[in-house]
Amino acid sequence: SQQGEEDPQALSIQEGENATMNCSYKTSINNLQWYRQNSGRGLVHLILIRSNEREKHSGRLRVTLDTSKKSSSLLITASRAADTASYFCAPDQLTSGGYNKLIFGAGTRLAVHP
Amino acid sequence: GAGVSQTPSNKVTEKGKYVELRCDPISGHTALYWYRQSLGQGPEFLIYFQGTGAADDSGLPNDRFFAVRPEGSVSTLKIQRTERGDSAVYLCASSYLTGRYNEQFFGPGTRLTVL
Repeated sequence: SQQGEEDPQALSIQEGENATMNCSYKTSINNLQWYRQNSGRGLVHLILIRSNEREKHSGRLRVTLDTSKKSSSLLITASRAADTASYFCAPDQLTSGGYNKLIFGAGTRLAVHP
Repeated sequence: GAGVSQTPSNKVTEKGKYVELRCDPISGHTALYWYRQSLGQGPEFLIYFQGTGAADDSGLPNDRFFAVRPEGSVSTLKIQRTERGDSAVYLCASSYLTGRYNEQFFGPGTRLTVL
């Protein structure tokens, strides 16, 4: 089963508005990563937040993490049409083999209209 | 190269045929991952390599799927007796190290269509 579940499944906004996407997960994690995907092809890494961090910023992106609620959010401020894409959260589990195994949800499809 | 590359970008085959999908990771990356993504879904983990060995192949759906990484760099995902349900985008990712804080860099994927 999927570890990360994004909400909403789809989001449609106007350029200049903020977009907020939420992610919930089920088990303990080491960190959580957010990825972006255009047109169903390669994923682009956006940001990684560690389990001991509560908030992180990168340009117009703001990510929060609440490990007590097992949830994260991605905020894109002042959205642009070029932000139209699918966004995935990927909580990771440090396995017994010592590597980070990413478990993706189904993603949020964001459409930003000019 | 500058990023992870995958070939071919698209592959159309007939049911029952054998296919090979290739992944060239970022130079120096020791960890390599294969994922499969169906339409409208997120990537689903298939297999992970650390160096030449498959450290975790728990995501491979059945024994028709096999992957190798003989020299610890390029990897090939092999699918025997393809079925229509194998149609998906196959993504490869690599990371510099394993462990807690290493982001994975993804290739553009190979879109496999089984007719």
